[in-house]
Amino acid sequence: KAGVTQTPRYLIKTRGQQVTLSCSPISGHRSVSWYQQTPGQGLQFLFEYFSETQRNKGNFPGRFSGRQFSNSRSEMNVSTLELGDSALYLCASSTGPGIMNTEAFFGQGTRLTVV
Amino acid sequence: DQQVKQNSPSLSVQEGRISILNCDYTNSMFDYFLWYKKYPAEGPTFLISISSIKDKNEDGRFTVFLNKSAKHLSLHIVPSQPGDSAVYFCAASAYSSGSARQLTFGSGTQLTVLP
Repeated sequence: KAGVTQTPRYLIKTRGQQVTLSCSPISGHRSVSWYQQTPGQGLQFLFEYFSETQRNKGNFPGRFSGRQFSNSRSEMNVSTLELGDSALYLCASSTGPGIMNTEAFFGQGTRLTVV
Repeated sequence: DQQVKQNSPSLSVQEGRISILNCDYTNSMFDYFLWYKKYPAEGPTFLISISSIKDKNEDGRFTVFLNKSAKHLSLHIVPSQPGDSAVYFCAASAYSSGSARQLTFGSGTQLTVLP
């Protein structure tokens, strides 16, 4: 069964631009979570979607937003990009809301570089 | 304020010896703990977990110990193998609003197993 697919794998954007990242979860998984990974900060939780509804949100500014479609695919959008937004953005899918056991599977991530 | 801390950014161990990775947490509401392993250019993969009702969980070469009074957990890998070289993330989960749970990750420890 196909894993979690994130596109694109790499992205270079200029300050002030906006960007949209995509995540296709494992077939049958309805929950998608997004994380930001930066050196020394670990994985910072962005938000989680289940059945097209945002169920949890981390401590990020409103420039970071997301949505989930009826087929469970999810997109994450960052507007007015800042240099500090350069990071690896990871998506994880699971069968139900929340991640508490082995059912969370991560994609390979999208490496965003803001110049 | 980091609720989950991995104070050692890196650790080097000789092949065949024991690797001990440490993690401290501050939130007493955390009741489920996980370790993830991450290779470069890949997403994190689940390794082992432990519920707060236990103080030890073992899976092959991997054992996780939980000391609730000290708010400390550790991952032991015995014997260490070169293929274990990766970044290890500690994560903790607490029940949040509704029925959703949220994972809080540490900043990771780079383990290098020397042949």
